[in-house]
Amino acid sequence: DVQMTQSPSSLSASVGDRVNITCRASQSVTSYLHWYQQKPGKAPSLLIYAASSLRSGVPSRFSASGSWTDFTLTISSLQPEDFATYYCQQTYTNPATFGGGTKVEIK
Amino acid sequence: EVQLVESGGGLVQPGGSLRLSCAASGISVSTHYMAWVRQAPGKGLEWVAMFYSAGGKVYADSVKGRFTVSRDTSKNIFYVQMNSLRVEDTAVYFCASGSAEVVSVDALDIWGQGTIVTVSS
Repeated sequence: DVQMTQSPSSLSASVGDRVNITCRASQSVTSYLHWYQQKPGKAPSLLIYAASSLRSGVPSRFSASGSWTDFTLTISSLQPEDFATYYCQQTYTNPATFGGGTKVEIK
Repeated sequence: EVQLVESGGGLVQPGGSLRLSCAASGISVSTHYMAWVRQAPGKGLEWVAMFYSAGGKVYADSVKGRFTVSRDTSKNIFYVQMNSLRVEDTAVYFCASGSAEVVSVDALDIWGQGTIVTVSS
């Protein structure tokens, strides 16, 4: 199975900060890499698909880049509603796998 | 409105069985891939299984041989039959699917609210 490693596992940031979260795959997943946001007690919500495509309705402060094994999710200016846990997922190889998550907390 | 509603969760003893249902509205389980994703208490997301529209099924190693996904196209419901349940199967189980926007990459942008499965003696 493809192992997905996210870093950091948690971070503290302030409103307005620029935040970067990285995701590394144990083997190439080309661009079959997606990013989800999950708030406590809620289902995950897709933010970015195919490595860099912003899902319809997602604010433009979210962006992502990368290919093959190394990927980055960027929040350009952190908003109060962005405090959540973020997960990457690869769907290039079955079984699909998620990263361990990055919890973004308020500083 | 597109909606997925899970049901069937509950408390079951180790070694027992449970069937979860995912009732879909606004999408057809026969033309969309359907997935189960679970989340153990305080833990991250774990992809469990996928049922492709053409009929193919894929399972995580942790559930292979114990879980079986199926669908009833007449009722528009997606299922997972869970047998030989273990304590480590305790989790919130989410049903999910992909819209036309993301279907080419198997991403999941349609989610249910989840149903809780507790395996304990």
